[in-house]
Amino acid sequence: GQQLNQSPQSMFIQEGEDVSMNCTSSSIFNTWLWYKQDPGEGPVLLIALYKAGELTSNGRLTAQFGITRKDSFLNISASIPSDVGIYFCAGQLPYGGSQGNLIFGKGTKLSVKP
Amino acid sequence: DVKVTQSSRYLVKRTGEKVFLECVQDMDHENMFWYRQDPGLGLRLIYFSYDVKMKEKGDIPEGYSVSREKKERFSLILESASTNQTSMYLCASSLLRSGVHRDFGPGTRLTVT
Repeated sequence: GQQLNQSPQSMFIQEGEDVSMNCTSSSIFNTWLWYKQDPGEGPVLLIALYKAGELTSNGRLTAQFGITRKDSFLNISASIPSDVGIYFCAGQLPYGGSQGNLIFGKGTKLSVKP
Repeated sequence: DVKVTQSSRYLVKRTGEKVFLECVQDMDHENMFWYRQDPGLGLRLIYFSYDVKMKEKGDIPEGYSVSREKKERFSLILESASTNQTSMYLCASSLLRSGVHRDFGPGTRLTVT
């Protein structure tokens, strides 16, 4: 089935650092979504992207829908401690299927540097 | 600001027990979904429903069944719980037309001993 490759799997941040993560696939997507999940909670939508090439910001977060429609990235600028959590990308396929047409990456876990 | 709620945050059950996980949404969404989340595996779709009494299998339906008798409620049933069903279970809903963004519940952490 279709897969999303999300990287990195985990990363450590120091307050004030910029963070970057991305998702790639061999499939074309109509929409890209980025979610954040805090420990013990459900994922919450951060940014939705609907057009190839689209660049959208939400505060310190910026995400882009790749031109090829096969990838997306999320940047977090000037990270703060509350940015820790798991970030998921999700791509909407152009058609339905066994996954209800939305596929999730495996997540990037953001932790604070000791 | 209630959106998607799940009946339990934590649940401990014994092997072989029948387990019911309930999910309710108050946004009048047509679509509802059940996922399980395991470390390193991400979110995997178990079942989804586009309408009352309708259901479709996701990627990992084995060992699970679902029920949707009312639009706002979607239940996940483990007919005979097994230890490999220990996981975090997430319910989500979305509008039929967009079908894209999922509103997630807080999750139920199920432990089967």
